[in-house]
Amino acid sequence: DAGVIQSPRHEVTEMGQEVTLRCKPISGHNSLFWYRQTMMRGLELLIYFNNNVPIDDSGMPEDRFSAKMPNASFSTLKIQPSEPRDSAVYFCASSAETEKQYFGPGTRLTVT
Amino acid sequence: EDQVTQSPEALRLQEGESSSLNCSYTVSGLRGLFWYRQDPGKGPEFLFTLYSAGEEKEKERLKATLTKKESFLHITAPKPEDSATYLCAIPNSGYALNFGKGTSLLVTP
Repeated sequence: DAGVIQSPRHEVTEMGQEVTLRCKPISGHNSLFWYRQTMMRGLELLIYFNNNVPIDDSGMPEDRFSAKMPNASFSTLKIQPSEPRDSAVYFCASSAETEKQYFGPGTRLTVT
Repeated sequence: EDQVTQSPEALRLQEGESSSLNCSYTVSGLRGLFWYRQDPGKGPEFLFTLYSAGEEKEKERLKATLTKKESFLHITAPKPEDSATYLCAIPNSGYALNFGKGTSLLVTP
């Protein structure tokens, strides 16, 4: 299995631009998670999908962030407009009805 | 509010020097405690799940233990390849996890 796939691996953008991060979970996994990692705050849950339905989006910072899961094999996290404080590593993870999660390699986002 | 606190933030060991990492938690009704390893530039990788006080799990030089208030990750005779950040986590909503900030371990030859 290829594992969780994320793209792009690195993204550098200017403040105010739209950023879209993509994730392909492991085939057969029905839970998908988006996390953000920074030195100050560690690894924080942004949103959690189960069977393509958002279950908990309480970690989404504000209306500038949105996430979709149109089908079982694809999810996006969009930031519009981006701000420098959004700079972080964004991880996608998936699991099969357990808390044992498999993480992707992450997307390092830099907003200048 | 459920909380996870890890200590120390960073730990430097010489090869062969055993030590322990601590994870303290507060939760109403523990549904498991999870340990992950994260190498630089990579996503966290699952190590162990512990469900009840007194439970122990082992993998190579690592042994995880659990009490009602904390978990320890014991590292016996570490090698440089054990250098990584070790994260512990407790379940949040559903299958989501609430992570501690981690302990960055460096093992020198």
